Amino acid sequence: QSVLTQPPSVSGAPGQRVTISCTGSSSNIGAGYDVHWYQQLPGTAPKLLIYDNTNRPSGVPDRFSGSKSGTLASLAISGLQAEDEADYYCQSSDSSLRSRVFGGGTKLTVL
Amino acid sequence: EVQLLESGGGLVQPGGSLRLSCAASGFIFSSYAMSWVRQAPGKGLEWVSAITASGGTTNHADSVKGRFTISRDNSRNTLFLQMNSLTAEDTAVYYCAKVMDTSGGYRPFGDWGQGTLVTVSS
Repeated sequence: QSVLTQPPSVSGAPGQRVTISCTGSSSNIGAGYDVHWYQQLPGTAPKLLIYDNTNRPSGVPDRFSGSKSGTLASLAISGLQAEDEADYYCQSSDSSLRSRVFGGGTKLTVL
Repeated sequence: EVQLLESGGGLVQPGGSLRLSCAASGFIFSSYAMSWVRQAPGKGLEWVSAITASGGTTNHADSVKGRFTISRDNSRNTLFLQMNSLTAEDTAVYYCAKVMDTSGGYRPFGDWGQGTLVTVSS
């Protein structure tokens, strides 16, 4: 059971927009800790996609965006492309655990 | 270009020990906090251990506390993870991860190694 809760899977057709939620609690996201998102393509290491809730590292397309409100963070992917098919993980920090925590991951399928 | 190259994984019996290494290059290793993150087969990511840039402070997940020890040698640009009393639940790909900047606190992981597989089985 992950500290941060993500839907196991989402799907969308090419060109569509999908969102992935990441639900935390008052000891992590709700405590003000930043949320980061990672993309993991099949058979590869994770890659930082969004950091500090809303920021994109250089090279990440602006089709990817992040938001945070209260105990909920979200990753939105617009203009879906086949190459976006991957696992997506949210990550934050937790004051009770005194550690970084990950969501359980969401598998994105492009139909 | 940042490069993180893990080594030391392999097959080990339950109760055994293993030492992972992560050779870093392409950045000033002694300036960045580092972590180990693992991923069990078919499962999600789990943060394991972290160490500050100087090596003076370490932190471990409850699941490995007392069994795993993270350390670093800044003169050799190398990160280590000593794993003792291994169980089947420790079977995973272990990634070495570098924080994205030196601003302190719980910074995100901007760079990852390719991972090394640890299999605990008799």
